[in-house]
Formats: sequence, C-alpha cells, structure tokens
Amino acid sequence: SSELTQDPAVSVALGQTVRITCQGDSLRSYYASWYQQKPGQAPVLVIYGENNRPSGIPDRFSGSTSGNTAYLTITGAQAEDEADYYCSCRDRSGKHFVFGTGTKVTV
Amino acid sequence: QVQLVQSGAEVKKPGASVKVSCRTSGYTFTSNDICWVRQVTGQGLEWMGWMNPNSGYTAYAQKFLGRVTMTRDTSISTAYMELSSLRSDDTAVYYCARLLGYCSGGLCFEYFQHWGRGTLVTVSS
Repeated sequence: SSELTQDPAVSVALGQTVRITCQGDSLRSYYASWYQQKPGQAPVLVIYGENNRPSGIPDRFSGSTSGNTAYLTITGAQAEDEADYYCSCRDRSGKHFVFGTGTKVTV
Repeated sequence: QVQLVQSGAEVKKPGASVKVSCRTSGYTFTSNDICWVRQVTGQGLEWMGWMNPNSGYTAYAQKFLGRVTMTRDTSISTAYMELSSLRSDDTAVYYCARLLGYCSGGLCFEYFQHWGRGTLVTVSS
C-alpha cells in the first residue's frame, strides 16, 4: 500500500477552486511533486519544490505543504484540468520514492 | 529538447522475461538518475526503482526485488528495465522518467521532469 494517501475523487465547478490533498509521514522530511495524468497519456509534472511550475504549466496550479500534508490547488479550474493527479516524494527510508494513491478531478 | 523514447509494446507468456528500453536525448545521459514506474490499467502509478547512469548504481522497490534489473548503455544514452518471471498481474504500462533535483536554503527537492510515453507489456498465455 502507498505511504501517501489522497482522496480518490473530487469535483469542481468550472472556474472554481479545488484543493487536492496528499498525506503521509515522509512529507515531514521531503517535499512533494505533483503530476497530472490524462487518459492514455504519460504523467506530466505540474508542481515541484516549494511551489514551482515547469514551463508551460498555467499559474492556476500552485502547491503548498503543512506538516505531513501536501496540497495542490487549482484556482479557476478549466475543463482541460480534468485528469488524475498524483503526488510523489521519497519514502520514509529516504532510499526510494513513492506515489500517492491518486485523485480523479472532475470539472 | 529532452526526449525519452521507449521501445514498443510487448506480449509475453507467464514465466518469461521482458526488457524495455528508454533511449534519451537532449541532455547528458549520465547527469540524472532514471526511474521506472508502472501503471496497471485503471490503477495508480507504482515506483519500481532507479538507476544512476553514471555509476550503474540501482535501487529497487521491495516488491520487485529479485525480479527486476535496471541497466544502461552509456554509449547510446539508453536505459533498460528487465522484469523476469512475468505473471498476469504484471500486465501494465511501464514508464521511464528522468529524475531532477536541486537544493535551496538547506532543503533539497526532487521531481520527475521528463517521462517516456510508456510501453505496454501484456502477459498472457
């Protein structure tokens, strides 16, 4: 079982804000990165570091961390944001990585 | 631009082995670790392990110990993942990903910046 737990699904109205959570003990020691995955496609990095977006990722995506929980916020969700989202960081041993259980976002 | 190009789909019988390749370009192959992640249809992402292309050092997830081997050929900037003793529940899409990281203010951050498009491995008798 994953060491990072996410809500299985959330829904958001077009243009509204949604926050996705990722919970796990290893988040007290390591920052999470976040990935968007659409059906039939490879994951795409959307947030890394304290709150950084790769080139091409809209600024409506932001990240934050508090204690053992990481958050991905989509402010002003668009139809194209409908996807599965995964968090990831090192595991408690620090030797490996782990992915969260994934959250399906419906817009 | 950075590209990770994976080998094509495979169909294998139970008990066989599969070797998936990940040919990289657009950056110095030995500069970043390569990780392998798999995804069973309808399920989440599962980290399998990583390899340092410079040293060849590998670390595998407990679940795959004894069955997975990650190697590389630096002359052609290509990483490989071989999974043996295949079972039907190994049917999945296998991804390679480039691991990047940096440190700032005493904190270090790591993330999978670039991904291959995935290789479907089907295990069926």
